[in-house]
Amino acid sequence: QVQLVQSGAEVKKPGASVKVSCKASGYTFTSYDINWVRQATGQGLEWMGWMNPNSGNTGYAQKFQGRVTMTRNTSISTAYMELSSLRSEDTAVYYCARGGLHLGESVGYWGQGTLVTVSS
Amino acid sequence: QSVLTQPPSASGTPGQRVTISCSGSSSNIGSNYVYWYQQLPGTAPKLLIYRNNQRPSGVPDRFSGSKSVTSASLAISGLRSEDEADYYCAAWDDSLSGLFGGGTKLTVL
Repeated sequence: QVQLVQSGAEVKKPGASVKVSCKASGYTFTSYDINWVRQATGQGLEWMGWMNPNSGNTGYAQKFQGRVTMTRNTSISTAYMELSSLRSEDTAVYYCARGGLHLGESVGYWGQGTLVTVSS
Repeated sequence: QSVLTQPPSASGTPGQRVTISCSGSSSNIGSNYVYWYQQLPGTAPKLLIYRNNQRPSGVPDRFSGSKSVTSASLAISGLRSEDEADYYCAAWDDSLSGLFGGGTKLTVL
């Protein structure tokens, strides 16, 4: 069965970086895009960007341009999202989700979420 | 403020039919597919509808989606207490970005 398993919770200081991983199983990792979505406590969902695991091509929301980097390691079927220059407003649960939103594909498999807390 | 506009709240009684709207523009809903998600507290979003009106396997046919020009709707018929949740619409935008609506909190009275 398809699974996306994310890394554990992180606590970071303002100005630091965080790298969240998303390990895929149950399907061919390079066949589907990976999206990253975050959700601050009590707030709505916010799309951050996508990555094509086959080509490594990425697309980022304008809000995160210059601060976010999405990469992958195909040998271990894992996608990564690194966010730098963290500030308190980046405190949120970060999700990875499989599927090409721009393609109309089913984006129905999500990781369990990773809580990132930014605090001095 | 989200580019995709949803009402912040909706409500209905058990057995009733409720609809949740999502308003966008020609660059997102008008030219791309619409998705709908259900989110229960403390859990990841669950896909209810993709490609405007397609239900993934396992999603009851009580849930249906429609789209007209630059707006979309999610309809839930035969409302149940377990449908009480937050609902989000989503779509791709031609500016090469994904978008989510601000979310609608559905209360089953």
